[in-house]
Amino acid sequence: GAGVSQTPSNKVTEKGKYVELRCDPISGHTALYWYRQSLGQGPEFLIYFQGTGAADDSGLPNDRFFAVRPEGSVSTLKIQRTERGDSAVYLCASSFQGTANTEAFFGQGTRLTVV
Amino acid sequence: SQQGEEDPQALSIQEGENATMNCSYKTSINNLQWYRQNSGRGLVHLILIRSNEREKHSGRLRVTLDTSKKSSSLLITASRAADTASYFCATRGPGANNLFFGTGTRLTVIP
Repeated sequence: GAGVSQTPSNKVTEKGKYVELRCDPISGHTALYWYRQSLGQGPEFLIYFQGTGAADDSGLPNDRFFAVRPEGSVSTLKIQRTERGDSAVYLCASSFQGTANTEAFFGQGTRLTVV
Repeated sequence: SQQGEEDPQALSIQEGENATMNCSYKTSINNLQWYRQNSGRGLVHLILIRSNEREKHSGRLRVTLDTSKKSSSLLITASRAADTASYFCATRGPGANNLFFGTGTRLTVIP
């Protein structure tokens, strides 16, 4: 596609529920990143995929968070037993091969609200 | 934890004036990038400067990098109301593939 697409754009869920957030990267981009941004803060790194594998998941806050990218394209961020503190904008980005000197292209994000 | 820190946190200027934002970071980097964000949603890449570069220009944007001071600045010349947004610096460390973002500067350009 023309850019990184994230769905849904907004998600409201009840505390304790399970949610899935989807990211469609730019076609041909092998590197994919998930970030979380709380109000008034900068994006916080969660996980990085190179192809199908999670090359760096050091930013995932705990084991309730999990992400997959089974075919090396679309990625899904999964959050179990959601808590109110999980409320944030979840941003996905992709880049060409994840090489050091390339820019990342961001989607518009999914605003998750846990009530 | 976030790598960078922008200064000031908020900046308000008149249209036509120049806006300068600063970024400080903590560890060695491969490159530093500046991004813009409108209304708290998607970020747009503005400019990338490598660790061996000292200055870079793109249109009305000028970025400097001082690796000895671990700092960078973004200058927007002849600002426009449409430049109103949050601006973030992000660093990429040697051998790293992820970006670490600062806390951002909220710029308001008054028409």
